[in-house]
Amino acid sequence: GENVEQHPSTLSVQEGDSAVIKCTYSDSASNYFPWYKQELGKRPQLIIDIRSNVGEKKDQRIAVTLNKTAKHFSLHITETQPEDSAVYFCAPYSGGYQKVTFGTGTKLQVIP
Amino acid sequence: DADVTQTPRNRITKTGKRIMLECSQTKGHDRMYWYRQDPGLGLRLIYYSFDVKDINKGEISDGYSVSRQAQAKFSLSLESAIPNQTALYFCATSKRLDTQETQYFGPGTRLLVL
Repeated sequence: GENVEQHPSTLSVQEGDSAVIKCTYSDSASNYFPWYKQELGKRPQLIIDIRSNVGEKKDQRIAVTLNKTAKHFSLHITETQPEDSAVYFCAPYSGGYQKVTFGTGTKLQVIP
Repeated sequence: DADVTQTPRNRITKTGKRIMLECSQTKGHDRMYWYRQDPGLGLRLIYYSFDVKDINKGEISDGYSVSRQAQAKFSLSLESAIPNQTALYFCATSKRLDTQETQYFGPGTRLLVL
């Protein structure tokens, strides 16, 4: 099955700074790369995704970059705010009848 | 997401009891999943189903069973609950697309086994 790792496992940043979370996967057939955000006590929800034919995608303060050769993709959050504090999960997908494998999660704390 | 519901939202039970957690969806999705999340940890897959006649074990299926009664309903049973099954349980759904797999989660069920 797919091996998915996230780094770092925890991250603390000052409000206004940037945060970067990296997801490394093993299945070279992966073609869809989403990031989910789980706020404390709530359900995970999709915040941004990218497909394999695109190298970067931005949505306001968040962006995702993909390096298919190296088999990793990253979540970038700029101008962090306290409401960005959450656990973030990656979940690369290779299509067809493969199941999704979630990464181990990264807990981001934004310090006011 | 109001389209994926879980019942009950909270449950306290005793060791050895059989309990059932239920998941319903109105999104018309064919795929459904059950995950377990322990405090401070990630999502671990218990079972998943790609359609009504399809049931697959995930990474931690021991002690659990599932039933896909209809496309919209997927139930998780703990045959004989034990304290280390205390956790937050999420149901999720997705629609089969070759180029995308976005999962929509229910609100979760908090289970305490005494």
